[in-house]
Amino acid sequence: DVKVTQSSRYLVKRTGEKVFLECVQDMDHENMFWYRQDPGLGLRLIYFSYDVKMKEKGDIPEGYSVSREKKERFSLILESASTNQTSMYLCASSLSYVEAFFGQGTRLTVV
Amino acid sequence: AQRVTQPEKLLSVFKGAPVELKCNYSYSGSPELFWYVQYSRQRLQLLLRHISRESIKGFTADLNKGETSFHLKKPFAQEEDSAMYYCALSFSDKLIFGTGTRLQVFP
Repeated sequence: DVKVTQSSRYLVKRTGEKVFLECVQDMDHENMFWYRQDPGLGLRLIYFSYDVKMKEKGDIPEGYSVSREKKERFSLILESASTNQTSMYLCASSLSYVEAFFGQGTRLTVV
Repeated sequence: AQRVTQPEKLLSVFKGAPVELKCNYSYSGSPELFWYVQYSRQRLQLLLRHISRESIKGFTADLNKGETSFHLKKPFAQEEDSAMYYCALSFSDKLIFGTGTRLQVFP
């Protein structure tokens, strides 16, 4: 029944490390999204992708990059992790203008 | 710029009381609006979308283009409605969210 899967529930990384968060969906959706979820700030869009190898910046792309080499997989990359990137990261996928399905989230702590 | 505003961080009511969670949006085109809910320890999931005009778990939301609002309403709150609620706007394949409102329903 699980449709969007994030590779890790919890991650602890050191400042300066390169971090990869992986997301896979099995619904053949064109659109995939990465958000960070922080108390009081809601869900903020980092990047989204509307097709393989296509990506657009969201509202807070600084310090992040993404990769979508295959339709079902969308990776978020923290080039050099910093403590202010400690957060809950949510991946989602959707067809255009219909329901988005979310992963279970990855809680990243950068120490 | 496109934006979704949820003015209340927390809304506390007693069981059986009416509930209204406010949502205002900023978008010049024809909006596609949604309400998502996150129960404790669960994934974020769709509650309802304006285009379907359905009632889910007793909740309804009406799009008011004049006031650019999409408030979520329920006439009689239940304890199991306690959750985090997010209003969302879809445009040009993007999906953006408001800051969310935590609903607490006391017995």
